[in-house]
Amino acid sequence: DAGITQSPRHKVTETGTPVTLRCHQTENHRYMYWYRQDPGHGLRLIHYSYGVKDTDKGEVSDGYSVSRSKTEDFLLTLESATSSQTSVYFCALSEGQGAREQYFGPGTRLTVT
Amino acid sequence: QQQVKQSPQSLIVQKGGISIINCAYENTAFDYFPWYQQFPGKGPALLIAIRPDVSEKKEGRFTISFNKSAKQFSLHIMDSQPGDSATYFCAATLYGQNFVFGPGTRLSVLP
Repeated sequence: DAGITQSPRHKVTETGTPVTLRCHQTENHRYMYWYRQDPGHGLRLIHYSYGVKDTDKGEVSDGYSVSRSKTEDFLLTLESATSSQTSVYFCALSEGQGAREQYFGPGTRLTVT
Repeated sequence: QQQVKQSPQSLIVQKGGISIINCAYENTAFDYFPWYQQFPGKGPALLIAIRPDVSEKKEGRFTISFNKSAKQFSLHIMDSQPGDSATYFCAATLYGQNFVFGPGTRLSVLP
């Protein structure tokens, strides 16, 4: 998985609780992404980062926030989890603008009850 | 404008047969079209990709056919094997900054 780890790999949480997912890379890639994967929707971009402290919104960013204080870590936070945020979350990397290859982590399965 | 459509949703092929998955896009500015393969419980992995100035790209049993005028591209898997059973996603990107993915095709290759 190109030096990408995600934690936790599985999580069950209750509606209204905060949740933070972590993506860690050892590749020193500039760009990092958070996607959610749902049946029939493929992969949808939540947020991405193009450098330390530089982030931008994706297609489905409502209800999510991100932070990147170090090159190697990209955190995704659900401030108050809802059942609609039950999904599989993938982190991805790319070397930078102009690099077309993305490398995906193993995913985190989140269930909000 | 940013959507990538993909069909079929699921596909069943006999071992040795040809698997064909089709995608269509709208944004003519896209400059790179990758295909990803995903096995259950794993993240997607890049399989093969093509740029719009090329009509076909082949890597082993996997071939991408690209029709720029029709804004369509397809993945052909020749001599399909049970180990090819996975979900396949087409995607499109501009400058490698943001990627738009199709909804996926679940391929089952019967032994």
